[in-house]
Amino acid sequence: KQEVTQIPAALSVPEGENLVLNCSFTDSAIYNLQWFRQDPGKGLTSLLLIQSSQREQTSGRLNASLDKSSGRSTLYIAASQPGDSATYLCAVDPSGNDYKLSFGAGTTVTVRA
Amino acid sequence: DAGVIQSPRHEVTEMGQEVTLRCKPISGHNSLFWYRQTMMRGLELLIYFNNNVPIDDSGMPEDRFSAKMPNASFSTLKIQPSEPRDSAVYFCASSLILAGAYEQYFGPGTRLTVT
Repeated sequence: KQEVTQIPAALSVPEGENLVLNCSFTDSAIYNLQWFRQDPGKGLTSLLLIQSSQREQTSGRLNASLDKSSGRSTLYIAASQPGDSATYLCAVDPSGNDYKLSFGAGTTVTVRA
Repeated sequence: DAGVIQSPRHEVTEMGQEVTLRCKPISGHNSLFWYRQTMMRGLELLIYFNNNVPIDDSGMPEDRFSAKMPNASFSTLKIQPSEPRDSAVYFCASSLILAGAYEQYFGPGTRLTVT
């Protein structure tokens, strides 16, 4: 069974600092990995999707890397802003056959102005 | 596009009552997912449909839960009878699954409180 872990559970940084969020998974045979953002009381917003054949994806200030062999993905957010405060979740599609995502518990980020 | 639409946004009901949650997926998407989120268990997949057909309902907690997708633009999740332990946020998500990678797009969720 795929286990997805996100450490730390919470992170507080001053505005302008770069954010590094970690996601690890136990089974390296994944189909793709997706990063989501969740604001309090809201649904999940897809940020980036990395296919298993890719090593990274970029969107604006966001960059996500994937190292399947070590079972890790990292989400980098450059020059953090207070509006980046949210919970960030990673989710792994273990097989691509049944589309079941295994979610981590998330990292709650607070960016202090 | 309006995104995934869920209703109601909040539902408070008494134990034993029937609860129906509704979802309208993004137009053109061929797959729909129902999730439940709690502090204790995080996000759990309950059921997913592909082309309106239930593919996997192994995450449905028990027979009190049922889901239907009568057409490509509408799905319901029903709990009958409801219990306090069903209190959670229920999310609906949709995606267009073709060959290759896909993304799931989530609705805003329905916060259910069973007293």
